[in-house]
Amino acid sequence: EAEVAQSPRYKITEKSQAVAFWCDPISGHATLYWYRQILGQGPELLVQFQDESVVDDSQLPKDRFSAERLKGVDSTLKIQPAELGDSAMYLCASSPTRGIYGYTFGSGTRLTVV
Amino acid sequence: SQQGEEDPQALSIQEGENATMNCSYKTSINNLQWYRQNSGRGLVHLILIRSNEREKHSGRLRVTLDTSKKSSSLLITASRAADTASYFCATLLVQGAQKLVFGQGTRLTINP
Repeated sequence: EAEVAQSPRYKITEKSQAVAFWCDPISGHATLYWYRQILGQGPELLVQFQDESVVDDSQLPKDRFSAERLKGVDSTLKIQPAELGDSAMYLCASSPTRGIYGYTFGSGTRLTVV
Repeated sequence: SQQGEEDPQALSIQEGENATMNCSYKTSINNLQWYRQNSGRGLVHLILIRSNEREKHSGRLRVTLDTSKKSSSLLITASRAADTASYFCATLLVQGAQKLVFGQGTRLTINP
């Protein structure tokens, strides 16, 4: 069964350092999403791509977060500089197209900022 | 911004019993989806119900949707220990970039 690949699985970084997460969606899925999930809460959408274009990044803290999907396939989410409040699970998901299908999520990257 | 609210926040039942979780939302939706999340893992899509549908079944899962009350329920019948997880409802908003917005989840524990 096709999966969404994410790496690393766990990441510990010091505050003010840069950190990056990688996601490889299911082949052929045009839409890719990055969500952040704080422990005990539901996921919150950070950025949504349709192919290589950003269609929603309204909740992305753009002073420190950036996301790209240059060739419309895999994607990278970067935080620079990391803050203590960024500690969370970062989840990537993909779907064939926007909205009418359920999303397939990766296993996530657990970020701890110390 | 919070769109979906699940109720209860936590539910503990005996194996074999049925589990019912509820979800309320605020604005018009295209569809509503339920996901399961085991501790420390990603979310797994369970079922999707469109705004013009009232009920949907998948195996031991039954989902209802009442758009007049802006609410949905997820019923898991004959629960098993493996059903222990957090369950989230997510609503696909009609307006804008078709954002899928998650609630805070219900933590379900099945006791053997």
